[in-house]
Amino acid sequence: AQTVTQSQPEMSVQEAETVTLSCTYDTSESDYYLFWYKQPPSRQMILVIRQEAYKQQNATENRFSVNFQKAAKSFSLKISDSQLGDAAMYFCAYGSQGGSEKLVFGKGMKLTVNP
Amino acid sequence: DTAVSQTPKYLVTQMGNDKSIKCEQNLGHDTMYWYKQDSKKFLKIMFSYNNKELIINETVPNRFSPKSPDKAHLNLHINSLELGDSAVYFCASSQEASFNEQFFGPGTRLTVL
Repeated sequence: AQTVTQSQPEMSVQEAETVTLSCTYDTSESDYYLFWYKQPPSRQMILVIRQEAYKQQNATENRFSVNFQKAAKSFSLKISDSQLGDAAMYFCAYGSQGGSEKLVFGKGMKLTVNP
Repeated sequence: DTAVSQTPKYLVTQMGNDKSIKCEQNLGHDTMYWYKQDSKKFLKIMFSYNNKELIINETVPNRFSPKSPDKAHLNLHINSLELGDSAVYFCASSQEASFNEQFFGPGTRLTVL
């Protein structure tokens, strides 16, 4: 079974600075997808970024980028120019390719952005 | 227009009661899910339906029964509610064929007293 580990339960960053959230996973599959979801206090789950395992290029979405290390099974999220609105719980998630399409989530990490 | 909607958003009830949570998606997706988020914020899959057929049931007690009248709806019925059922329940949907983004509903906070 796949597992996702987010070892840091909380982090803080100063506004306008850069922060990196770590995530590792365990799987025996070669094709899969990885996601970062954001959950602000409103409770809504919002997709931040996704990465297909077969792609070597790291995904980027504006201020958000990932460092995907397939051999190390590592998938970290970098937030540049942090904004107050980035404060939220961040969840790393794993999804299998084909068949069961459930997401396996890490335990989440609470990000605080200080003004 | 709301993509994935859930009703109610909040539900407070007594132990032993039976309650339902409704979910609807207007995205034309084939697959719908129920996730449970516990008090420590841990999210775990409960059920998944594809075109009204159950494809995932993750060791959820029999008291939980999902029902999909059509592929746009996936309701969750819970019998004989227990204190441990208190959680936030999220409905989600995604398009079949390739693993695409799962769109989540706003969640239903269930409190069992």
